[in-house]
Amino acid sequence: EAQVTQNPRYLITVTGKKLTVTCSQNMNHEYMSWYRQDPGLGLRQIYYSMNVEVTDKGDVPEGYKVSRKEKRNFPLILESPSPNQTSLYFCASSPQGVSGGYTFGSGTRLTVV
Amino acid sequence: AQSVTQLGSHVSVSEGALVLLRCNYSSSVPPYLFWYVQYPNQGLQLLLKYTSAATLVKGINGFEAEFKKSETSFHLTKPSAHMSDAAEYFCAVSERENQGGKLIFGQGTELSVKP
Repeated sequence: EAQVTQNPRYLITVTGKKLTVTCSQNMNHEYMSWYRQDPGLGLRQIYYSMNVEVTDKGDVPEGYKVSRKEKRNFPLILESPSPNQTSLYFCASSPQGVSGGYTFGSGTRLTVV
Repeated sequence: AQSVTQLGSHVSVSEGALVLLRCNYSSSVPPYLFWYVQYPNQGLQLLLKYTSAATLVKGINGFEAEFKKSETSFHLTKPSAHMSDAAEYFCAVSERENQGGKLIFGQGTELSVKP
């Protein structure tokens, strides 16, 4: 089944403790992206990647890092999480650019206390 | 800068009634436009998209949307609501030459369907 898989689905952590949210897609898509969803704000792009070893900042990159060493994987790293990073995170992939429409993962609900 | 405005954060309809969810965008060039649906505790699912062909776009689950350039609108409709349509709906826009593949999302409209 074609899908984007994120792990974990739920995570509660403490301020300052480094964490990684994994994202993997099995569709051989070029584009991958991370979004965060907050009430009243919709979804905002954190980082995106157009291909292996090519990443760039989205609208809200502060406090996050990403890497794209393999085509299928695009992990999101929070080096020192803070409470304002409590959010619902989505990974998404697209075959080429945005015209094909993104396929989204099921989301990771992160709480930083 | 691009932006998307969804009119109404909550819309309630009766089962069998027309569904109309409004979306207006601002963009300097003809954009790509999308509607996504999000069911509780799930990711976003693509309902339909407008990229360059017919201005009336048909999607899954009986939804359709019409691109009106003069009104900068891309409203989502369904002739007859079903209980299973209850979800949150997001309109999104992206410029055609956007190399970052970034979607700009509206704030979402929660659709309730009454029996």
